[in-house]
Amino acid sequence: EDQVTQSPEALRLQEGESSSLNCSYTVSGLRGLFWYRQDPGKGPEFLFTLYSAGEEKEKERLKATLTKKESFLHITAPKPEDSATYLCAVRPSGGSYIPTFGRGTSLIVHP
Amino acid sequence: DAGITQSPRHKVTETGTPVTLRCHQTENHRYMYWYRQDPGHGLRLIHYSYGVKDTDKGEVSDGYSVSRSKTEDFLLTLESATSSQTSVYFCAISETSGVEDTQYFGPGTRLTVL
Repeated sequence: EDQVTQSPEALRLQEGESSSLNCSYTVSGLRGLFWYRQDPGKGPEFLFTLYSAGEEKEKERLKATLTKKESFLHITAPKPEDSATYLCAVRPSGGSYIPTFGRGTSLIVHP
Repeated sequence: DAGITQSPRHKVTETGTPVTLRCHQTENHRYMYWYRQDPGHGLRLIHYSYGVKDTDKGEVSDGYSVSRSKTEDFLLTLESATSSQTSVYFCAISETSGVEDTQYFGPGTRLTVL
């Protein structure tokens, strides 16, 4: 059974204080790992897709990296507007290819 | 933003009442999905569709049915709503299910079953 575990569950940072969110996964063959941002009362918003170990992608203050067992979402010098819940999902290489989602990390950035 | 709308956005209903949620897309994507999101559980797949009249079950399909008579519309029906179905429901779409594909989500429907 595919499993996705995100840590920490919640993270509080001061503005400018860089940190990382973790997504560890167990899947029988990885076809893709996805990161989403979700604001309160809204649907998840797509951020990145990573396909193979060693791959990195960046968008503004966010950088996602991937290894064979986990992915990190690095947040550099965060701002209050980066406050949101960040979701990770993995798409397996077999079966129906339906992604499995983690429970998310709730990030609050204080000014 | 992906052209996905959900209706209604909020609904309060009573136990035993039938409820239908609608997802409408303007992207002409083949795949459509219904998820529910609950605290402590994350997003869980209810049903998905891989074409008109082609649907399959997800991990939490009991008590739910779906229909897709047109590419753009995917309906989720609770035949007899229960309090355990109080949740936020999200529709998602994707062009394919392949490696390059990405799911895009709608704004959600908050359902409360009293």
